[in-house]
Amino acid sequence: ETGVTQTPRHLVMGMTNKKSLKCEQHLGHNAMYWYKQSAKKPLELMFVYNFKEQTENNSVPSRFSPECPNSSHLFLHLHTLQPEDSALYLCASSQDSGRETQYFGPGTRLLVL
Amino acid sequence: AQSVAQPEDQVNVAEGNPLTVKCTYSVSGNPYLFWYVQYPNRGLQFLLKYITGDNLVKGSYGFEAEFNKSQTSFHLKKPSALVSDSALYFCAVRDTGGFKTIFGAGTRLFVKA
Repeated sequence: ETGVTQTPRHLVMGMTNKKSLKCEQHLGHNAMYWYKQSAKKPLELMFVYNFKEQTENNSVPSRFSPECPNSSHLFLHLHTLQPEDSALYLCASSQDSGRETQYFGPGTRLLVL
Repeated sequence: AQSVAQPEDQVNVAEGNPLTVKCTYSVSGNPYLFWYVQYPNRGLQFLLKYITGDNLVKGSYGFEAEFNKSQTSFHLKKPSALVSDSALYFCAVRDTGGFKTIFGAGTRLFVKA
């Protein structure tokens, strides 16, 4: 248990659906991240939030919309996804220093039909 | 731009033998280097990191890594492999100016009994 939780753990959705992924960290960290992990591809950083402010958007399509209401919670809102968006979505957190270790949640396995 | 390479997709080792998982990096300044491990259906877990100081870094579960500046390498090692070490291993380099961590493609380690 890393102190980072993600819900749901599994999600199946159609291309016209709207859903949200939730991440919560209990570590008192100030930075939170969304990553996409696809088979046979490197881990892709999607978004970074530091003190609730978005500091990185790695050219992510607008059908993915992040929200960070406070330093402990991070959401990823999904709408009109494509089958190629099927992947494991990982949330992570770290302290606000660039040298700090990231702590990952277990991920949400997303399947888009 | 920062980058990290893991030249082997897969490493096979017999239990009890030493193991090495290779990583090379490219950064413009001082590197912050990390190793993470991912077990099936789990998020990434931190193993060890190099920030500064001793070139030999010791981490969790008996793993260690050697920072070699001249060869720009940060290979992960363990003197005696266990079957339970079988997992996916990621090398990562941290952007010294911000919050972006670049991950390698991962190396799958199989330890055979």
